[in-house]
Amino acid sequence: DTGVSQDPRHKITKRGQNVTFRCDPISEHNRLYWYRQTLGQGPEFLTYFQNEAQLEKSRLLSDRFSAERPKGSFSTLEIQRTEQGDSAMYLCASRRSGTGDSEQYFGPGTRLTVT
Amino acid sequence: AQTVTQSQPEMSVQEAETVTLSCTYDTSESDYYLFWYKQPPSRQMILVIRQEAYKQQNATENRFSVNFQKAAKSFSLKISDSQLGDAAMYFCAYRRAGANSKLTFGKGITLSVRP
Repeated sequence: DTGVSQDPRHKITKRGQNVTFRCDPISEHNRLYWYRQTLGQGPEFLTYFQNEAQLEKSRLLSDRFSAERPKGSFSTLEIQRTEQGDSAMYLCASRRSGTGDSEQYFGPGTRLTVT
Repeated sequence: AQTVTQSQPEMSVQEAETVTLSCTYDTSESDYYLFWYKQPPSRQMILVIRQEAYKQQNATENRFSVNFQKAAKSFSLKISDSQLGDAAMYFCAYRRAGANSKLTFGKGITLSVRP
């Protein structure tokens, strides 16, 4: 069990550029979550996958954001035409389904800075 | 909608002393889970303790225990024998029972430990 990994750990981009983040969940976990955490705040839910199906999207996920999990393993989160307000830590978490009370395990996050 | 409130932004405790972190929540659900997560500086979020709403007994994990008051919708974390490694941000979180298992977090509290 190598834990949840995220890549890159840090990303600096100019406003208007597109960025893509990757999350590799724990191998037997079929549920995957994306959260966004801004400075001084708790994480906020963005979206959730069960296997390859995206089952829920938050209102925070504007049409500039898209997430995929094509084979039910790793996931990508893309932000198009980045804005300064997108600067945040993007957290990924995974969870094993089948047991209603299993916990979510978090990755280290990708810190995005939009200049 | 569920909300989680942590009204204390910062707390400080002397090493080896006890500290209590407060959290209140609001939900219309009867079956849910409550969590305390720890986020050390520049490190990933880890679960400290969890409480199932249907259990009357307060959860305990070594030096960490909770005071769960369901009627008052209060969920405080007590850290006994505080250690320097306990210094971190602590987030209270809520999750409804069932398939839709996203976490709703409070704003967090920064705990410092004085040697």
